Amino acid sequence: KNQVEQSPQSLIILEGKNCTLQCNYTVSPFSNLRWYKQDTGRGPVSLTIMTFSENTKSNGRYTATLDADTKQSSLHITASQLSDSASYICVVSGGGSYIPTFGRGTSLIVHP
Amino acid sequence: GAVVSQHPSRVICKSGTSVKIECRSLDFQATTMFWYRQFPKQSLMLMATSNEGSKATYEQGVEKDKFLINHASLTLSTLTVTSAHPEDSSFYICSAPKEGLMWTSDGTDTQYFGPGTRLTVL
Repeated sequence: KNQVEQSPQSLIILEGKNCTLQCNYTVSPFSNLRWYKQDTGRGPVSLTIMTFSENTKSNGRYTATLDADTKQSSLHITASQLSDSASYICVVSGGGSYIPTFGRGTSLIVHP
Repeated sequence: GAVVSQHPSRVICKSGTSVKIECRSLDFQATTMFWYRQFPKQSLMLMATSNEGSKATYEQGVEKDKFLINHASLTLSTLTVTSAHPEDSSFYICSAPKEGLMWTSDGTDTQYFGPGTRLTVL
């Protein structure tokens, strides 16, 4: 069964600090992995996309890594800002279906 | 980037009434659109795939007679929640792939999400 597990479920950090969110998946065969940011009451917005051959990709203060061998990905946020408070969702495509598998997300709260 | 809009953004209705939610691709045509439901602290769950000019494809466990989908044009799909009940209260999100592509395998993110509609059934 295709699954995407994210950890931690929630995280609280102080403004300016760094943090790392984790994503483990069992989707096979693997096609690509996306990280989305979803503000409360809004639709998800794409942050990064990685295919099998990529092991790191950056988008400003967001850096995603991918280890296709261990089926793990991480999203590192540098110098967090209050506006980073949101849910971060890991989405994996593949598994013999055109429908991707969504993780439950990590809720990040950045305090001043 | 491409824009997908939803209307209304928020709706409150009485139990037993029907509610229509619109999803529009504003600057591109979408032969396919996806409807998701998201409960608090949960991931997005695909409900159905809306196909322009043909019947929608529903995921297992989603009642097609309760969640009516119409994709009458290349830029508009509607989801109607019929005889809504409190358990239908949720956040409904649509997405549309640009240029007719679905979740591509080459890493090109052509999938754009709408801002979502918060439905509350009293």
